Amino acid sequence: GAGVSQTPSNKVTEKGKYVELRCDPISGHTALYWYRQSLGQGPEFLIYFQGTGAADDSGLPNDRFFAVRPEGSVSTLKIQRTERGDSAVYLCASSSGPETGTQYFGPGTRLLVL
Amino acid sequence: RKEVEQDPGPFNVPEGATVAFNCTYSNSASQSFFWYRQDCRKEPKLLMSVYSSGNEDGRFTAQLNRASQYISLLIRDSKLSDSATYLCVVNPGYSTLTFGKGTMLLVSP
Repeated sequence: GAGVSQTPSNKVTEKGKYVELRCDPISGHTALYWYRQSLGQGPEFLIYFQGTGAADDSGLPNDRFFAVRPEGSVSTLKIQRTERGDSAVYLCASSSGPETGTQYFGPGTRLLVL
Repeated sequence: RKEVEQDPGPFNVPEGATVAFNCTYSNSASQSFFWYRQDCRKEPKLLMSVYSSGNEDGRFTAQLNRASQYISLLIRDSKLSDSATYLCVVNPGYSTLTFGKGTMLLVSP
């Protein structure tokens, strides 16, 4: 069956630009998570959606980062005024419910800010 | 103190060896515990859950010590295909997961 998909797989942008990263979760999964992984680090939590609403956005580093999930399926992570420090792999994961520890990850979007 | 701490390695072992990884976590209220595996430039995948009673899945054994806030993973009879980064993961009591930095394992012929 189809897993979590993310687009684009790679994104190169210039400092100050706006980027959107898309995540398509496993069909029927109500919980969706965004993580950021820098080189040599484990994934770092950014935001969690249960359905359409952001249940926990405590991991977003600042107000340049925003995410939406308007129909409870596909989610978009938006980064304004990108900085070189935003360069990382952005991972999306989904699960069948909030109580499960089994999260299925997508392949990630590698973002490079020049 | 970091929430989840692991030795980053790398652990270099020959095929057939037994290797053990350890992990400590700081939040005593943590609810559930996992080991995820991440291959180079790939996404993390769940390897196994970790229970206080210990659990085994083939060559892999995981153990949790709540009193010491310590989690372990034992791999017996290492295979070349076991080469990866092993991430210690804790659910701190709400729906998100907290990951350690990972321990790199390199199994050589």
